[in-house]
Amino acid sequence: EAQVTQNPRYLITVTGKKLTVTCSQNMNHEYMSWYRQDPGLGLRQIYYSMNVEVTDKGDVPEGYKVSRKEKRNFPLILESPSPNQTSLYSCASSFSRGGNNYGYTFGSGTRLTVV
Amino acid sequence: SQKIEQNSEALNIQEGKTATLTCNYTNYSPAYLQWYRQDPGRGPVFLLLIRENEKEKRKERLKVTFDTTLKQSLFHITASQPADSATYLCALRNTDKLIFGTGTRLQVFP
Repeated sequence: EAQVTQNPRYLITVTGKKLTVTCSQNMNHEYMSWYRQDPGLGLRQIYYSMNVEVTDKGDVPEGYKVSRKEKRNFPLILESPSPNQTSLYSCASSFSRGGNNYGYTFGSGTRLTVV
Repeated sequence: SQKIEQNSEALNIQEGKTATLTCNYTNYSPAYLQWYRQDPGRGPVFLLLIRENEKEKRKERLKVTFDTTLKQSLFHITASQPADSATYLCALRNTDKLIFGTGTRLQVFP
């Protein structure tokens, strides 16, 4: 089944403790992206990647890191999480940045709480 | 400034009726527009795409219209069911990237 697999689904952590949210896709998509979503603010892009070893900042990159060493994987790293990073995180992939005919395929989401 | 606007207030309708959600945009000239469904705590799911040269697109009980003059897309769900309750997001392609609206929550009551 074509999908984006995101883990974990839920995560509660403490301020300052490094964490990684994994994202993997099996559709050979070149484009991958991370979003955070907060009430009233909609989807805000954190980072995106057009291909292996190519990553760029989105609208809200501060406090996050990403890497794209393999085409299928695009992990999101929070080196020192803070409470204002409590949010719903979604990973997406597509053949292109514009989404084209098939849109973006999103993962199931990660609900992160930083206390 | 560039904006995508979806009604932030929830839309409540009775089962069996047609739900109509609106997506308005300003200062964009999108090549196409997409609609997604999102359930609470989950990532969005792609539903439909409509191109700038298409007036209407249908998929089962879903219908999307796109009026580039009015800068508006309407998303209709006919014969709505409680299972259709979710937040619906529109997204438009601006240059080479996809821009998302904040979504409208639909609640279908039995």
